Amino acid sequence: EIVMTQSPATLSVSPGESVTLSCRASQNINNNLAWYQQKPGQAPRLLIFSASTRATGIPARFSGSGSGTEFTLTISSLQSEDFAVYFCHQYRNWQQTFGQGTKLDVK
Amino acid sequence: EMQLVESGGGLLQPGGSLRLSCATSGFNFEDFAMYWVRQRPGKGLEWVAGINYQGNLMSFPDSEEGRITISRDNAKSSLYLEIKSLRSEDTALYYCAKGLFGRSSPADFWGQGTLVTVSS
Repeated sequence: EIVMTQSPATLSVSPGESVTLSCRASQNINNNLAWYQQKPGQAPRLLIFSASTRATGIPARFSGSGSGTEFTLTISSLQSEDFAVYFCHQYRNWQQTFGQGTKLDVK
Repeated sequence: EMQLVESGGGLLQPGGSLRLSCATSGFNFEDFAMYWVRQRPGKGLEWVAGINYQGNLMSFPDSEEGRITISRDNAKSSLYLEIKSLRSEDTALYYCAKGLFGRSSPADFWGQGTLVTVSS
């Protein structure tokens, strides 16, 4: 099983700031990495796939990078609606796995 | 409009079994991989099972081999999940999710989930 490790677990930031979230895979997953946003009481929403491709309707302030085992999600100029939990997800093979999540808190 | 509607959750006994269904509409179901993902109360996302667009390739975590079955009926645009020998750790919100492609791919659309509680 490929283990996905996200850091940090919680990040306290102010609106308007930029933030970078990290995700590490226990083995090479090439660019088979997605990022999701989840707000309380809602289903996850796909933000990024193939490590750096924004999903339909996702604002340009969300950007992803990385390949192999190290990946990042950057959110520039945080809006109030961006405070949520973010999960990374590897789909290199059919035994997919998620990271444990990073919660963005308002500072 | 794309819709995924899960059903079959509820209060279940330890050692019993569950069968969840996901009724879909608004897209060509037979063209896409489908998944079940669960979320235990207050916890993160956990991939439970996946199936390719044809229904001839299924996958689960190694630890769940033999306990979990995923299936699909492309004629009915529906996805199913069966779990045997239920444990308290199976208590979770179970999401049905659509793959972006027919092969292993990210989930680009999710249902609202069905809650399963395993307790005596």
